[in-house]
Amino acid sequence: AQTVTQSQPEMSVQEAETVTLSCTYDTSESDYYLFWYKQPPSRQMILVIRQEAYKQQNATENRFSVNFQKAAKSFSLKISDSQLGDAAMYFCAYRSGGAQGGSEKLVFGKGTKLTVNP
Amino acid sequence: DSGVTQTPKHLITATGQRVTLRCSPRSGDLSVYWYQQSLDQGLQFLIQYYNGEERAKGNILERFSAQQFPDLHSELNLSSLELGDSALYFCASSVLPNTDTQYFGPGTRLTVL
Repeated sequence: AQTVTQSQPEMSVQEAETVTLSCTYDTSESDYYLFWYKQPPSRQMILVIRQEAYKQQNATENRFSVNFQKAAKSFSLKISDSQLGDAAMYFCAYRSGGAQGGSEKLVFGKGTKLTVNP
Repeated sequence: DSGVTQTPKHLITATGQRVTLRCSPRSGDLSVYWYQQSLDQGLQFLIQYYNGEERAKGNILERFSAQQFPDLHSELNLSSLELGDSALYFCASSVLPNTDTQYFGPGTRLTVL
């Protein structure tokens, strides 16, 4: 079974600075997707960024980018120019690509609580 | 706003009772997923439906059941409720089962007293 590990329960960053959240995963599949979801105090789960495992290029979305290291099974999230509104729980998630008959469910890590200091 | 709606937002009930949570997927999405978020278990997949049929089951208790209706909305039924069932229940939807991105609703907060 696939597992996702977020080793940093809490992180803090100064406004306008850069922070990196770590995520590692374990899988024997070659076809899969990785995601970062943000959960602010409102509890809504918001998709931040996604990465297809077959793509070597790291995904970027405005101030958010990932460092995807497939061989190391690592998928970190970098937030540049941090803003107060970035304060939230961040969850890393794995989804099988389905080619090997894997489930389409999302497997989540336990989350990292990000605090942004003014 | 993801386009996925869930009702009610909050639900407070007593042990032993039965409740129904409702989810309407985004327009055009055929697949619906239910997840439970609790303090001790984190975010866990419960069950998935595609076009009215059950497609996958996760850590869903026998006291829980779900279905997806012809109009594609889904309901999660929780019965014989226990204190430990208190959690945030999310519904997510995607266009097709093998479409990569799942969009989440705002969740239903269930409190069992």
